[in-house]
Amino acid sequence: DTAVSQTPKYLVTQMGNDKSIKCEQNLGHDTMYWYKQDSKKFLKIMFSYNNKELIINETVPNRFSPKSPDKAHLNLHINSLELGDSAVYFCASSQDGEGSPLHFGNGTRLTVT
Amino acid sequence: DAKTTQPPSMDCAEGRAANLPCNHSTISGNEYVYWYRQIHSQGPQYIIHGLKNNETNEMASLIITEDRKSSTLILPHATLRDTAVYYCIVRLYSSASKIIFGSGTRLSIRP
Repeated sequence: DTAVSQTPKYLVTQMGNDKSIKCEQNLGHDTMYWYKQDSKKFLKIMFSYNNKELIINETVPNRFSPKSPDKAHLNLHINSLELGDSAVYFCASSQDGEGSPLHFGNGTRLTVT
Repeated sequence: DAKTTQPPSMDCAEGRAANLPCNHSTISGNEYVYWYRQIHSQGPQYIIHGLKNNETNEMASLIITEDRKSSTLILPHATLRDTAVYYCIVRLYSSASKIIFGSGTRLSIRP
């Protein structure tokens, strides 16, 4: 009954590869987000999607692309991975318009070697 | 940048009340105060939010000063499982606005 689920939990890959992280929410929320938490533990918003429309893009490199096949899913595709992409990536969702809080997944730890 | 300021760390004895302060002196009239916590490597967890009145739920109480420039999160009976990083955030209630996390307060509960 996990509300926001991410897969995989761990991802180890080499520089230059392309990888995807999947996120699904079963809360019926309108908006989904991707956050990046670096080694210093700062949580930074990367994207949010509302009804399949990208509404926030925090100037992340265009190697990162969110893709939302439907309202319940927001996947994160990363091309040409770099060492600096190593971090924990969190997916979240919220029902905006009602001030509802963010509900986070448990993160995907990406390690680029 | 985050619009809030929190002490980097605090500690509290188990069973006592933990009071976590947050300064948000530039908060605007339509912004709410939200609190989240992150336990170890898990995803952040929502705790409570409020506008100007004090709020209480099963997890915590939120005290907001009359001028709304600061607030305090109170965990009434801290347990070891409350050890976490606590984030205070201000955000607009009704928009999909940027929700920016600051550096938070690392709360340690000692036995």
